[in-house]
Amino acid sequence: EVQLVESGGGLVQPGRSLRLSCAASGFTFDDYAMHWVRQAPGRGLEWVSGISWHSDSIGYADAVKGRFTISRDNAKNSLFLQMNSLRAEDTALYYCAKGGSIVATNFDSWGQGTLVTVSP
Amino acid sequence: IVMTQSPATLSVSPGERATLSCRASQSVSSNLAWYQQKPGQAPRLLIYGASTRATGIPARFSGSGSGTEFTLTISSLQSEDFAVYYCHQYNNWPPLTFGGGTKVEIK
Repeated sequence: EVQLVESGGGLVQPGRSLRLSCAASGFTFDDYAMHWVRQAPGRGLEWVSGISWHSDSIGYADAVKGRFTISRDNAKNSLFLQMNSLRAEDTALYYCAKGGSIVATNFDSWGQGTLVTVSP
Repeated sequence: IVMTQSPATLSVSPGERATLSCRASQSVSSNLAWYQQKPGQAPRLLIYGASTRATGIPARFSGSGSGTEFTLTISSLQSEDFAVYYCHQYNNWPPLTFGGGTKVEIK
């Protein structure tokens, strides 16, 4: 059974940094692209960033480009999102999602999310 | 690519048919997925490739369309189907984009 468990969320002041992690199990992690998707309170889904299985293809939403960095450690079955220069509009539940063999695919499994709140 | 879903809210009685629409601002071929999200839960993949049901998804869910116009049909709504539904294009990236969602509520 695929399991994705996010961690690292919390309350942070504007301008500060936070690093999210996603621990994956139940599948061959280094065969699949991985993504971060967020959902602001009461709002819809917003794709944040994705990374190919070999980390050679990486993409970001315009809203986070230059501030967020996605990475993965295939040896540890883990996905990360380094978030710098956080803004109030980054407040959201951040989901880790499993992609396919290529990075531009649907998301067939999701974690339960980790909440990031950016507030003074 | 901008994904536009309609209607924003759909009121349906149990047992009735629900038809949800998703329009892309440019062609996404058949690279479109549908997700269901219930309150307090993560999204769940229903349909990918515009019309292929994901593993374990009941046959009452069906997807159709290609290019810019897509439809998700729930043939006979069950109580557990009342939720928010999102379409998602993965033809062009970055970025990958979602529609704004359609809430299916009990009439």
